[in-house]
Amino acid sequence: GDSVTQTEGPVTVSESESLIINCTYSATSIAYPNLFWYVRYPGEGLQLLLKVITAGQKGSSRGFEATYNKETTSFHLQKASVQESDSAVYYCALGVWANTGKLTFGHGTILRVHP
Amino acid sequence: NSKVIQTPRYLVKGQGQKAKMRCIPEKGHPVVFWYQQNKNNEFKFLINFQNQEVLQQIDMTEKRFSAECPSNSPCSLEIQSSEAGDSALYLCASRTGDSDYTFGSGTRLLVI
Repeated sequence: GDSVTQTEGPVTVSESESLIINCTYSATSIAYPNLFWYVRYPGEGLQLLLKVITAGQKGSSRGFEATYNKETTSFHLQKASVQESDSAVYYCALGVWANTGKLTFGHGTILRVHP
Repeated sequence: NSKVIQTPRYLVKGQGQKAKMRCIPEKGHPVVFWYQQNKNNEFKFLINFQNQEVLQQIDMTEKRFSAECPSNSPCSLEIQSSEAGDSALYLCASRTGDSDYTFGSGTRLLVI
């Protein structure tokens, strides 16, 4: 089946440092998966951070970026300078955007940003 | 401030008891999903609906889980006879055919 593997947390960084959370995927049931990063802030529900539908493209939101690399089957999340408010749990996921199918999630990476 | 409303927020049941949780999808979203997130943060897809019809579901071989999305009523997920292993966060999400998913805040079930 499909699977997503991401950096095991918690990841602890200081404010203004750079961040990378690794995500690799295996899509056996989907020829052209779409890739997503979701985030859960403390006390809030899961929300979409960014998505990329097409291989080779980059998505960005709130200073975060991720590039869909079909060759390495990766979708790493990066940010040049994190803020304390970025502390949250980040989930990489794959699915097919254009239909009503399910998402396959990674286990999540806890990010703690210290001031 | 989720547009998908899940109730109750917390649910505590004894083993063998029935557990029922509800979800009101975002207005205009005909596709509804249920996921189970366990204590290891693993997501498990349970079932999805388009309007009132089931699209996909896991093989609920134990038949303890059932779900429905009746018209003009909240969607629901019910566990007929709760077991300790059912303790988890149950997430409801909705979307249109080409929109982003909207997730609810979840119902946290504890079976004691």
